[in-house]
Amino acid sequence: EADIYQTPRYLVIGTGKKITLECSQTMGHDKMYWYQQDPGMELHLIHYSYGVNSTEKGDLSSESTVSRIRTEHFPLTLESARPSHTSQYLCASSVGWGAKDTQYFGPGTRLTVL
Amino acid sequence: AQSVAQPEDQVNVAEGNPLTVKCTYSVSGNPYLFWYVQYPNRGLQFLLKYITGDNLVKGSYGFEAEFNKSQTSFHLKKPSALVSDSAMYFCAGLSGGYQKVTFGTGTKLQVIP
Repeated sequence: EADIYQTPRYLVIGTGKKITLECSQTMGHDKMYWYQQDPGMELHLIHYSYGVNSTEKGDLSSESTVSRIRTEHFPLTLESARPSHTSQYLCASSVGWGAKDTQYFGPGTRLTVL
Repeated sequence: AQSVAQPEDQVNVAEGNPLTVKCTYSVSGNPYLFWYVQYPNRGLQFLLKYITGDNLVKGSYGFEAEFNKSQTSFHLKKPSALVSDSAMYFCAGLSGGYQKVTFGTGTKLQVIP
């Protein structure tokens, strides 16, 4: 079982609210990722980080932002939630590059914006 | 550019029968290939990976995958399917020059009792 945690697991919130999805890992991994996944469909990388103070946008444009102040923590923030943000958000981490890049996933946060 | 394709949205197999979930890849250089499984309302779990060497890779829960360079494929296999194997399966890959893994679109495996 991977030591990567996401809170909350489920969130229902109204339009316009600011939300932060938490992700923490205790494995000391440098690389962390946020994916957006619609039910039963592919994963879209929205943010990733190589390490502390490093953040990059992923392949899918997202209105969310991330920060990486500590190695173990990679929160995702939506300043003003909208119904189009309704989705499952998966956080992952990995040791490093190439063959070492096995990703360990958290259980996900299912977000519903009304 | 790199890409990973899973041509089947869903695979149905009877319990006890062998199963195959297909994956093809397109990467420059030497590929690193992975299989992940996702159970309902859970994150993805790593099953196995191919780095180099033996073309047959063995992984968790009795799964294995065969790397075929000439066909650019990395199909997931299991000799005898269990109902508990029913889940979404994702193939993923990257080449040495890339720092991001590319995931396939996923295949839903349904094992019928």
